[in-house]
Amino acid sequence: DVKVTQSSRYLVKRTGEKVFLECVQDMDHENMFWYRQDPGLGLRLIYFSYDVKMKEKGDIPEGYSVSREKKERFSLILESASTNQTSMYLCASTTGPSNQPQHFGDGTRLSIL
Amino acid sequence: GQSLEQPSEVTAVEGAIVQINCTYQTSGFYGLSWYQQHDGGAPTFLSYNALDGLEETGRFSSFLSRSDSYGYLLLQELQMKDSASYFCAVRPKTGGYNKLIFGAGTRLAVHP
Repeated sequence: DVKVTQSSRYLVKRTGEKVFLECVQDMDHENMFWYRQDPGLGLRLIYFSYDVKMKEKGDIPEGYSVSREKKERFSLILESASTNQTSMYLCASTTGPSNQPQHFGDGTRLSIL
Repeated sequence: GQSLEQPSEVTAVEGAIVQINCTYQTSGFYGLSWYQQHDGGAPTFLSYNALDGLEETGRFSSFLSRSDSYGYLLLQELQMKDSASYFCAVRPKTGGYNKLIFGAGTRLAVHP
C-alpha cells in the first residue's frame, strides 16, 4: 500500500529556531510537495520537487526552504521560525501522468511560540 | 492565475443526496480532482475529471463542464462517515510537475 510518512505529528518550537520537517515516501515517486493548511484557506503549496536535488517554489515560499537529497525524502526547513508559521503542514507525493492522484501524509501540526 | 470557489459548509441528513459545487478561474488545466479529508486525517483522493461529463465511483460522482468553468461532487445515500471536508483541485498546464491548486474546502456535516 502507498505510504507517505511525516516524522512528527505534533511539534512545538520557539520563534527564531530553525525547524526541520521530514517526509518519506515508499512509492518511488518523482514528485513531492509541501503544503500548509489553514482554516478557510485550504491547502497552499509551499515548495515542490520533481527530482533529486531539484526544487521549485510554490505559491507561498517565503520563510521556507527545502531539501531533496534522496528520491524518497523531502525536507521542509523553516530558517527562522515565526508565529505566523504556526499551521498544519502536509507532505504529498505523486508520479507521472497528470491523472495520477497525490498521496498525502498525516500532517505535522506545528506551533511556534 | 488560478482560483477555485467552493461553499464553506454544507449540511445534510443521512440517506440524502448532496452536491458540492466548485467554480474556477484558470488559464488552463488538465483536469479537476476531488479530495476528502476527515478531521485530523490526511486528504485522500476521490475522483478525477479530465474531460467534460460525469464520472461515477460508487456513491460518489463528479462532474466537469469546462465551458461553464464549473464542476461538482455528488454524494448519494449519505452516511455519517461522509462527514468530512471536501476539496476541489485543478492541475494547471503551466508550472508542470503534477502540482495542484486547491479550493478552500467545503465542510460537510451529515446528521441522523
